[in-house]
Parts: sequence; C-alpha cells; structure tokens
Amino acid sequence: ELKVEQNPLFLSMQEGKNYTIYCNYSTTSDRLYWYRQDPGKSLESLFVLLSNGAVKQEGRLMASLDTKARLSTLHITAAVHDLSATYFCAVGFSPLVFGKGTRLSVIA
Amino acid sequence: SAVISQKPSRDICQRGTSLTIQCQVDSQVTMMFWYRQQPGQSLTLIATANQGSEATYESGFVIDKFPISRPNLTFSTLTVSNMSPEDSSIYLCSARSVAGRDTQYFGPGTRLTVL
Repeated sequence: ELKVEQNPLFLSMQEGKNYTIYCNYSTTSDRLYWYRQDPGKSLESLFVLLSNGAVKQEGRLMASLDTKARLSTLHITAAVHDLSATYFCAVGFSPLVFGKGTRLSVIA
Repeated sequence: SAVISQKPSRDICQRGTSLTIQCQVDSQVTMMFWYRQQPGQSLTLIATANQGSEATYESGFVIDKFPISRPNLTFSTLTVSNMSPEDSSIYLCSARSVAGRDTQYFGPGTRLTVL
C-alpha cells in the first residue's frame, strides 16, 4: 500500500525567509504532484513531476523529485504572505494518494 | 485544462436522508474520481467512477453507502446514503483529462453537514 508522508505538517515562517517542505513515499512511483489549497477552496495544481531528477519552478516555489530516494521537495524562496496556504503532495496515478498536507503561514 | 463544477456547493441535511452530488466537467476526461476531505485533513479517495460500469471503491467505502454513476465522459454523481453526522465532510470531484492526462483537476467541493 502506497503511503505518503509530508513534513512538517505546520510551518510558520517569516517573510523573506527560505524553507523546504519534504514529501516521502513508500513505493516506487514516477509521478508526483504538488497542490495548493486555500481555506475553503479546492485544490490548485502547482507542479507535476514525471521523472527522476525533474525540477520545476514557478515564482518563489521550486519542486524537485528524486525517485530513487522516493523524495520530493518543495522549496520556498523569500516567502511572502500570499504563499500562506496548505500544500499537498500526491503520488501515483490511479489512485492518487495524498500526504497529510503542510499548513504554511507566512508572517511579517 | 479541465474545469469542474459541482452542485450543490453546500448542504445541511438531516440524519437518515440521502444527498446526490453532481459533477460536470467541461471537456472529455479519461478518469473521474470522488474524494472526501474532512475539515483540516487530507483527501481520501472514495472511488473511481467508471463510465458505463460500476465504480471501483477503495477500502472502507461501499456501494450501498456511496452509490456512484457516470453515464458519460463528462458527468458523474455521488450519493451519500442514509447519512449520519460522521458523513459531514467536503466531497470533491476530480478528473484527469484526455489532453492533459498527467494533471488531475479538482472541483470546488460540496460541503456537507449532517445534523
């Protein structure tokens, strides 16, 4: 059974700082997804990582995938308040299995 | 990309009743799914909605409680039957499109409260 673990589950960071969210998964998979969810809203797709070594960047967020280590990271650079949200990683294809989410709060 | 709409967006229901949630996608999709998300929690897959055949349910979910239909490539319904307060949750429809098959999209969700 595929299990997906994220850490940290809660993250409070100051504006301007950098931080990394980690996503580990238990069985082989060549695709990993990162989503963002704002309170009371649905999930917004951020990144789809499809191969070992894949790296994608959008604004202040950069995601990478190491399939050998079964690890993905979501790196936040120079955080701003607008990045406050819950971030989920999800692994697999059918079904997609989600981590518990990382609730990020960026404070001034 | 695929745009997914759900109806209703929220409802408050009495114990023992049933509610049917509708999901409409604006383009043909290969796969449709139903997830449950309890407040502050992650997403749990209920089932994969198969076109023209019975849905495939995950462990812990059964057809009698969560009957699902998918009559065509763009529409699906989820019924929450004989509801109890434990069914209070957000129910999300999700789809993987034919064109962008590597991306899985989510609807806005249906927030259900059972009294």
